[in-house]
Formats: sequence, C-alpha cells, structure tokens
Amino acid sequence: DGGITQSPKYLFRKEGQNVTLSCEQNLNHDAMYWYRQDPGQGLRLIYYSQIVNDFQKGDIAEGYSVSREKKESFPLTVTSAQKNPTAFYLCASSIGGVRGFRLQPQHFGDGTRLSIL
Amino acid sequence: RKEVEQDPGPFNVPEGATVAFNCTYSNSASQSFFWYRQDCRKEPKLLMSVYSSGNEDGRFTAQLNRASQYISLLIRDSKLSDSATYLCVPLYQAGTALIFGKGTTLSVSS
Repeated sequence: DGGITQSPKYLFRKEGQNVTLSCEQNLNHDAMYWYRQDPGQGLRLIYYSQIVNDFQKGDIAEGYSVSREKKESFPLTVTSAQKNPTAFYLCASSIGGVRGFRLQPQHFGDGTRLSIL
Repeated sequence: RKEVEQDPGPFNVPEGATVAFNCTYSNSASQSFFWYRQDCRKEPKLLMSVYSSGNEDGRFTAQLNRASQYISLLIRDSKLSDSATYLCVPLYQAGTALIFGKGTTLSVSS
C-alpha cells in the first residue's frame, strides 16, 4: 500500500541534542512538507519542498533543518537551537502543483511526538 | 486579519443533529478549499475537496461563498464517530503549502 511513513512515533531528546525525524513516501509525490502542532493549536509550516534538491522555509523554520536528496525522503532535523521542540510533528506530501487545473490536497503521515527529557 | 479563521467550538450536539460551521479566509484569490478531519492525537485526513461553489458527499456538504469569503461545512444526521476537529484549508497558490485553520471541534453525544 502506498503511503507516508514517519518514524519514530515517539522520540525523547535531551537538552542540547539534535534529533532527526524520518519521513518517507512511496506515493511518487513531488512535494513534501513538515508541520508542527502544539496542543490545542493549528498546524504551522516548518519547511516544504516542491522538488528534489530544493526546499523553502515555512513560517517557523528557525531551529530546524531539512534535506531533500531523494524524492521519497524528507528528513527533519530539530537542532539544539530550537528552544521549545516539544510538539507533534507531521509530515505530508502531495502531487504538487496543478493537475487538470485542480490544486492537490496533502496527505499526512501519522506523526512523531517529540518530548524533551 | 488572519488568513484562516474558524470558530474553535466545541460544538456539542446530540446524535442525529445537523450542525454547520464556517471558515472565513482573507485571501480572495483562494482557488480551492479542503476540509480535513483530525481525531485526537492523530494526523489530519482529507474529508472533502471543494473546487467550485460546493461539494456534497453523503451526510457532508461544503459550500463556498466567494463574495463573503467563507466556506461552510454542514453535517447531517450526526454520528458519534463524527466527533473530531475539522480543519479548513484554503489554497490560493499552486506550488505552495497549505495553510491550516486551527479547526473547529465537534463532539457528538448519545
């Protein structure tokens, strides 16, 4: 079955550590996205990538980094510079752009919960 | 004005009720709209896509009012399983990420 796989499901980080969240998709989607969701809040965009080897900052990119070396993979690194990293992280993908004059929705992985020890 | 605004609720309704909630958007160039459903501690899942004036799928109807810049979601004959947060998403530019509203929480009780 095609889909988006995020790992791990739960992640604990010590202060000062960098951690990398994995996101893999086998949907052959061009575009991939990372969002952060805090309790009772909406989704906020961290980074997105419309094509391999290219990515753009979202609204809250500070303290995060990404890479897009392969179409299937869009890992997110939460660096020690991110002061409040505890949150629910969601990766999404979409066909990207316009298909048949219709803009395409995003499909989500089941998320990674990051907590600070 | 925020790009997307939704009444956070919660909307508490009995089973079988009809409930509607609105989402207002600020960018008049919005071309498509999506309604996502998010269960507690889960990822959002696409509920409906709206590319013109509206869409209907079973008990769910989405209607778009471009003049007033809002989109509504109507749920008829509410089920317990409809309890979730409903996220409104206008998309106004190809090649960019979606902007999500904070969502409206619906709680259906027996």
